[in-house]
Amino acid sequence: AQSVTQPDIHITVSEGASLELRCNYSYGATPYLFWYVQSPGQGLQLLLKYFSGDTLVQGIKGFEAEFKRSQSSFNLRKPSVHWSDAAEYFCAVGSPSGGSYIPTFGRGTSLIVHP
Amino acid sequence: NAGVTQTPKFQVLKTGQSMTLQCAQDMNHNSMYWYRQDPGMGLRLIYYSASEGTTDKGEVPNGYNVSRLNKREFSLRLESAAPSQTSVYFCASSAWGPDTQYFGPGTRLTVL
Repeated sequence: AQSVTQPDIHITVSEGASLELRCNYSYGATPYLFWYVQSPGQGLQLLLKYFSGDTLVQGIKGFEAEFKRSQSSFNLRKPSVHWSDAAEYFCAVGSPSGGSYIPTFGRGTSLIVHP
Repeated sequence: NAGVTQTPKFQVLKTGQSMTLQCAQDMNHNSMYWYRQDPGMGLRLIYYSASEGTTDKGEVPNGYNVSRLNKREFSLRLESAAPSQTSVYFCASSAWGPDTQYFGPGTRLTVL
């Protein structure tokens, strides 16, 4: 069965600093990979996704992520964090199987931004 | 463009009561999902509907039932609510199975 691990429950950074959120997945083939963001009291919004092709993907709000098959990782990065980036971030993996699809989410990383 | 809508936004139930959470999407998506979100647990899939007319169990289906009423609507029913079902419930939809999911604003349910 597929699984997703986000090793960091909380990350604290200063505004303007760079950011990297880690995500590791377990799946036999190349999965579909996603990063979502959730602001307090809101639903989730897609930041970026990887299906195939270039392993460095660009997303909204200046985020990017790199798929590394050898490390089973899909880490999210941003060169300069803004206070408005404070939110919960979820990595997700999806694998098609027999016409169905069961998405799996990580437990999330809470980003705290200090001024 | 409404996207995914959920009703109600908040609900308090007593143990043993029943209720139905409603979800509708206006994006002509094929697949719809119900998740629950609990602190430190991320999102866990309760049920999903890959296409109109089909439903399947997810990771935590016990105590829940679903109905894919038509292509737009996917409801979640709690027949006999338990305190363990206190959670925030999210509905989501996607155009096809593993594509981007679009989430509703959530329903915060408390079972006393």
